[in-house]
Amino acid sequence: EAGVTQFPSHSVIEKGQTVTLRCDPISGHDNLYWYRRVMGKEIKFLLHFVKESKQDESGMPNNRFLAERTGGTYSTLKVQPAELEDSGVYFCASSQDSPNEQFFGPGTRLTVL
Amino acid sequence: GQSLEQPSEVTAVEGAIVQINCTYQTSGFYGLSWYQQHDGGAPTFLSYNGLDGLEETGRFSSFLSRSDSYGYLLLQELQMKDSASYFCAVKGYGQNFVFGPGTRLSVLP
Repeated sequence: EAGVTQFPSHSVIEKGQTVTLRCDPISGHDNLYWYRRVMGKEIKFLLHFVKESKQDESGMPNNRFLAERTGGTYSTLKVQPAELEDSGVYFCASSQDSPNEQFFGPGTRLTVL
Repeated sequence: GQSLEQPSEVTAVEGAIVQINCTYQTSGFYGLSWYQQHDGGAPTFLSYNGLDGLEETGRFSSFLSRSDSYGYLLLQELQMKDSASYFCAVKGYGQNFVFGPGTRLSVLP
């Protein structure tokens, strides 16, 4: 069974540009989460999808961040326009019925210059 | 609000036992999870405690005391490959998780 995959693994962009991160959860997992870890700090929750619906987006930092999950399969997280403080590692995780055990993807390391 | 505290670093030798503590303050609590993350890797689920007591999974055990808002991860028979960061995470309202700052474990030969 394939794990959670994320693309790209690294992204370097300039301030003001747009970046789109993609996450493919484990097949059959209805729950999909986005997290961010800024260097040296804790992993912070961004939002949670159940199928294609946003269950909780309380962690989204501002309206420059837009997440979608069309069709309830893969998800995208767009940052537009990117700011320096958006740099960090963005993780996606998925779970089946219970949120207690989440399977994380390898992350996308975003660097905003 | 929600906050979790963990020691920032712990060092131990191979074969030893180490305990990583986690205290939490949350507005809602359904359980405590533990994740391991090697440098450059993805967090990996280790254990979950929804009720008070000890959960054992091989060399790893996790404990929860809800009355004390406290839990710990116990690693036995330490191996070099256990060197990693360990995060506790609290499941709050809305079924999302709040992660602690992480404890970096260094296992020495």
